[in-house]
Amino acid sequence: RKEVEQDPGPFNVPEGATVAFNCTYSNSASQSFFWYRQDCRKEPKLLMSVYSSGNEDGRFTAQLNRASQYISLLIRDSKLSDSATYLCVVWGANAGKSTFGDGTTLTVKP
Amino acid sequence: IAGITQAPTSQILAAGRRMTLRCTQDMRHNAMYWYRQDLGLGLRLIHYSNTAGTTGKGEVPDGYSVSRANTDDFPLTLASAVPSQTSVYFCASSADGVAGQFFGPGTRLTVL
Repeated sequence: RKEVEQDPGPFNVPEGATVAFNCTYSNSASQSFFWYRQDCRKEPKLLMSVYSSGNEDGRFTAQLNRASQYISLLIRDSKLSDSATYLCVVWGANAGKSTFGDGTTLTVKP
Repeated sequence: IAGITQAPTSQILAAGRRMTLRCTQDMRHNAMYWYRQDLGLGLRLIHYSNTAGTTGKGEVPDGYSVSRANTDDFPLTLASAVPSQTSVYFCASSADGVAGQFFGPGTRLTVL
């Protein structure tokens, strides 16, 4: 089993749709959690950290469920510019290194 | 310099040649990392350094070496390149695990 597993995708949604991604992690000692965005052939960019209380940044909401060991990302009112691959990242359980999920691809269509 | 830079942007290399990929950050981050990303696959950690003077092996370290003589620089060396090392290489840095990592723009390496 992979340390970090994401929805396989791809997700193809119309503009304006709400879409949610889930990510599970296997090590309960993990300490920090993040969502990254990666555009085609570009470097990953930090989208948001994920806190136990949940956090929101505009149209994006991230949630952490430590008991069930999963994190989620909700995107409301999808825009064409949201089309990208979204990476789930877990830190702290493996000698201070981050573990990346394989990513979920989102395509928002007109 | 603003953030984290990598050089070269891309390179075509003959098999058996030695190559050093450069990475420099100006954020005074303690930790630095090298990843490779193959087409359609996720990021795989090659080597990392939690602080200047220390390095560690990641998931796929064979064929690669690193050094961390100072805080800012973290070069990755391929001693004798092989075609399976054709990939996109990303360098990243972080102040600590809580803050997340910041990535350089990547180096696209082709080994023929």
